[in-house]
Amino acid sequence: RKEVEQDPGPFNVPEGATVAFNCTYSNSASQSFFWYRQDCRKEPKLLMSVYSSGNEDGRFTAQLNRASQYISLLIRDSKLSDSATYLCVVRSHTGGFKTIFGAGTRLFVKA
Amino acid sequence: NAGVTQTPKFQVLKTGQSMTLQCAQDMNHNSMYWYRQDPGMGLRLIYYSASEGTTDKGEVPNGYNVSRLNKREFSLRLESAAPSQTSVYFCASSTVQETQYFGPGTRLLVL
Repeated sequence: RKEVEQDPGPFNVPEGATVAFNCTYSNSASQSFFWYRQDCRKEPKLLMSVYSSGNEDGRFTAQLNRASQYISLLIRDSKLSDSATYLCVVRSHTGGFKTIFGAGTRLFVKA
Repeated sequence: NAGVTQTPKFQVLKTGQSMTLQCAQDMNHNSMYWYRQDPGMGLRLIYYSASEGTTDKGEVPNGYNVSRLNKREFSLRLESAAPSQTSVYFCASSTVQETQYFGPGTRLLVL
């Protein structure tokens, strides 16, 4: 089992739709969580950190469920420019720092 | 600020050839990383350097060597390239285990 798992998609949604991605992680000692965005043939860039109480940044909402060991990303009112691959990132701080990247979920937003 | 820069952007090698991928950052970060990204897989850590003068193996170090030349520069060397090393290579930097900032990547094809 991979340490961080994501549905690879692709998710094909129309403009204006709401779409949600989940990411599960296996290490219960994981302490920090992030969503990165990666455009085609570009480098990953931080989209947002994920806090225990959940957090929002404009149209994006991130949630953490420690009991079930998953994080989620909700995108409201999807734009064409949201088309990208979304990477889930999990970091543990026990026995040294370890950062694991998920393989990503591809999103296509269509007009 | 340039952020994280990588050279070259593209490279084609024949099996057995050697090459060095260069990475530099101007954000005064202590930590630097080398990842490879293959289709369907997350970013996998090859080597990292927590601070100037130190380097440690990541998840997939075999076939690679690194040098932390100074605080700014972290190079990755392939001594004898193999087709299995065909990949996209990303360098990243961060303050101590905080958000990682990535370079634009190097696309390597080994024939």
